Amino acid sequence: GDSVTQMEGPVTLSEEAFLTINCTYTATGYPSLFWYVQYPGEGLQLLLKATKADDKGSNKGFEATYRKETTSFHLEKGSVQVSDSAVYFCALSDRMDSSYKLIFGSGTRLLVRP
Amino acid sequence: DAGVTQSPTHLIKTRGQHVTLRCSPISGHKSVSWYQQVLGQGPQFIFQYYEKEERGRGNFPDRFSARQFPNYSSELNVNALLLGDSALYLCASSFETDQETQYFGPGTRLLVL
Repeated sequence: GDSVTQMEGPVTLSEEAFLTINCTYTATGYPSLFWYVQYPGEGLQLLLKATKADDKGSNKGFEATYRKETTSFHLEKGSVQVSDSAVYFCALSDRMDSSYKLIFGSGTRLLVRP
Repeated sequence: DAGVTQSPTHLIKTRGQHVTLRCSPISGHKSVSWYQQVLGQGPQFIFQYYEKEERGRGNFPDRFSARQFPNYSSELNVNALLLGDSALYLCASSFETDQETQYFGPGTRLLVL
């Protein structure tokens, strides 16, 4: 079945450092891809999405490009802030008949130090 | 605009009891989905409802059930609670024309003792 694999964390960076969180997927079709962020004690917030190959999703300085040839959707940010400390989840949409569900990776914890 | 709301925020139950969790979608959203997030893992899909009908079900036992009401709010019921049901239960809603983009609520944290 479809699946998502993320790099294990925690990822620890200094403020203003460059961030990359790797995500690869396995899918039979061409799913939409998503990044969600979860701050401590909260639910998931949609960060960005891409719906087809070569699409770039972006939001709040974060970017990710849908790479069909490498089945990847890596999250990047040029300069992280302490407030970016959170857990980041990569996900794909799985449609079967009239049902839609998201399949998530295991999450990558980011810790940004001042 | 209000986001997805869930109640209660926290709940403590004992093994064998049942629990009902509630969710109100974003105004205008007709699809509601439920996910279980065990500590340290990604969310796992439980149900999707659209227009009061079950559209999808994940790999969860029959102890888990749900329903959607005419106002599109939803309930998740879990019977005969087990210790392993302790988790964060997340509700998500989406527009009928873009059901794959899901917006999550803050979750209900359930602890089973």
